[in-house]
Amino acid sequence: GDSVTQMEGPVTLSEEAFLTINCTYTATGYPSLFWYVQYPGEGLQLLLKATKADDKGSNKGFEATYRKETTSFHLEKGSVQVSDSAVYFCALSDSGGSNYKLTFGKGTLLTVNP
Amino acid sequence: EAQVTQNPRYLITVTGKKLTVTCSQNMNHEYMSWYRQDPGLGLRQIYYSMNVEVTDKGDVPEGYKVSRKEKRNFPLILESPSPNQTSLYFCASSPQGPVGNGYTFGSGTRLTVV
Repeated sequence: GDSVTQMEGPVTLSEEAFLTINCTYTATGYPSLFWYVQYPGEGLQLLLKATKADDKGSNKGFEATYRKETTSFHLEKGSVQVSDSAVYFCALSDSGGSNYKLTFGKGTLLTVNP
Repeated sequence: EAQVTQNPRYLITVTGKKLTVTCSQNMNHEYMSWYRQDPGLGLRQIYYSMNVEVTDKGDVPEGYKVSRKEKRNFPLILESPSPNQTSLYFCASSPQGPVGNGYTFGSGTRLTVV
């Protein structure tokens, strides 16, 4: 079945540091890939997405490229801010799936210190 | 404002006392879904609905019921809650299914069953 594996946290960085959160996936069909962010006490917000191989999703300085050859969708940001502190979830939705779900990774807690 | 609204945000109840968590979306989305979020397990789908009167089980449906009598509403029913249903619950909606679109999530309902 479908699965998403993302790097274990927590990740602690200083402000302006470079961020990478690794995400790899397995899927039976041709998945769409997503990064969601969950700020403390809030629901999940879509951060970015990519729907086909080699697509790059970007938003708020975050980027991720859909790499079919390595089945990866790593999240990057060149200079993090304290306000980026949150839990980040990688997710996929598989066109070959039949239950219209997002399959999530377990989440990575990011803390950015001033 | 386009949104998914869940109520209540917080709920403490006793084992066996029936409860309903309401979910409403104002985006005319066809697809709706319920997820639960547990530490170390990420988010798992409970039930989903492709349209009015069309619902089906997700990965962890035991102990839950849903209904979809109107397009905008998708309540989650716990007929006889048990402590293992203590969790953070999210309702989500999508215009045409999550492939390519993902889901828009509500703010969550934190349920404690004692």
